[in-house]
Amino acid sequence: NAGVTQTPKFQVLKTGQSMTLQCAQDMNHNSMYWYRQDPGMGLRLIYYSASEGTTDKGEVPNGYNVSRLNKREFSLRLESAAPSQTSVYFCASSIKGGYNEQFFGPGTRLTVL
Amino acid sequence: EDKVVQSPLSLVVHEGDTVTLNCSYEVTNFRSLLWYKQEKKAPTFLFMLTSSGIEKKSGRLSSILDKKELFSILNITATQTGDSAIYLCAVSMDSSYKLIFGSGTRLLVRP
Repeated sequence: NAGVTQTPKFQVLKTGQSMTLQCAQDMNHNSMYWYRQDPGMGLRLIYYSASEGTTDKGEVPNGYNVSRLNKREFSLRLESAAPSQTSVYFCASSIKGGYNEQFFGPGTRLTVL
Repeated sequence: EDKVVQSPLSLVVHEGDTVTLNCSYEVTNFRSLLWYKQEKKAPTFLFMLTSSGIEKKSGRLSSILDKKELFSILNITATQTGDSAIYLCAVSMDSSYKLIFGSGTRLLVRP
């Protein structure tokens, strides 16, 4: 099992460009999450999907959209990137609910110039 | 506002030392507290604590929760250079799918 996979690993964008970060899990988990991690700020939840067909905002959703494509896949889209979105992005999944252990992907390092 | 605070922010020790990392929280409808270790990439799960006073142990690492005083500690005995990492604490709440993370403690173990 690959666990949680993310693509790309690195990306550089110019301000105003758009892109989609892809995430997939092969553990048959119901819940999936997108976090961003900035220096000294821990992990902050952007959006989550409690189950297939549902998505909800987290702490810092502005400037992002998500799609739960199916049970395995959960994508994060930046419609018009801004330098403030320079960060490391992690996707995670859990069996059900935040109180279960969450398994994290390897991360995407995004730089917006 | 729900929050999780970790201390210290960073710590430098020598191999063989024992360290204690702290995590305090203020959340509504607490359900569980989780500890993760983050080396260069993704956080990896260490422990989940739901009951006060019950120590969870894995090798040289152990953790305990105090739900009355709203904190947890993570102990690492006989530290090794491989313990160098950021240690993250997170809290979950009833009827919520979210985890609230602290900002982490960066541990550096020198040979």
